[in-house]
Amino acid sequence: KQEVTQIPAALSVPEGENLVLNCSFTDSAIYNLQWFRQDPGKGLTSLLLIQSSQREQTSGRLNASLDKSSGRSTLYIAASQPGDSATYLCAALANAGGTSYGKLTFGQGTILTVHP
Amino acid sequence: DGGITQSPKYLFRKEGQNVTLSCEQNLNHDAMYWYRQDPGQGLRLIYYSQIVNDFQKGDIAEGYSVSREKKESFPLTVTSAQKNPTAFYLCASRSGGAIAKNIQYFGAGTRLSVL
Repeated sequence: KQEVTQIPAALSVPEGENLVLNCSFTDSAIYNLQWFRQDPGKGLTSLLLIQSSQREQTSGRLNASLDKSSGRSTLYIAASQPGDSATYLCAALANAGGTSYGKLTFGQGTILTVHP
Repeated sequence: DGGITQSPKYLFRKEGQNVTLSCEQNLNHDAMYWYRQDPGQGLRLIYYSQIVNDFQKGDIAEGYSVSREKKESFPLTVTSAQKNPTAFYLCASRSGGAIAKNIQYFGAGTRLSVL
């Protein structure tokens, strides 16, 4: 059974700092690894998707890496801003018991606060 | 605007009552999902549907039921058998094609509380 863990559970940093969020997963047989952002009381917004054959993806100040062999992914945020404050969730998409359906297993999330 | 609409935003359930959460998408996506989110936890899958008139149980389906009569609609009923229904419920959809490339799009969620 796939398990996804995110460390740290919460992070508070001053504006302008570069930071790293960590995600680990137990089953390396994944289709992809996805990072989402969730604002309080809202739904999830997709940030980056890394396919299993890829090593990293970049979007603006965000960079996500994937190391399947070690079961790890990191989300790097450069030059953090107060508007980056949110919960960040990672999710691993794995084969659901031999079916064509891919099941997303989510981590518990990291609550990020960027203070001015 | 294309997207996923969940309603209502807030819902209150009395003991012994069934309630239905609405999820509508105009993205023409084949697959739709229902997740439950409890405070400080990640999302857990309740039900999913890959195509109209077909749906499968997820990890925590007990006390819930769904239907998929139309491609754009995937309502979730929280039955009286669900003894701890207070949570944030999220609906999502995904297009077909290469599974490794497709992200899931989420609605804004429904917060369900017990009176």
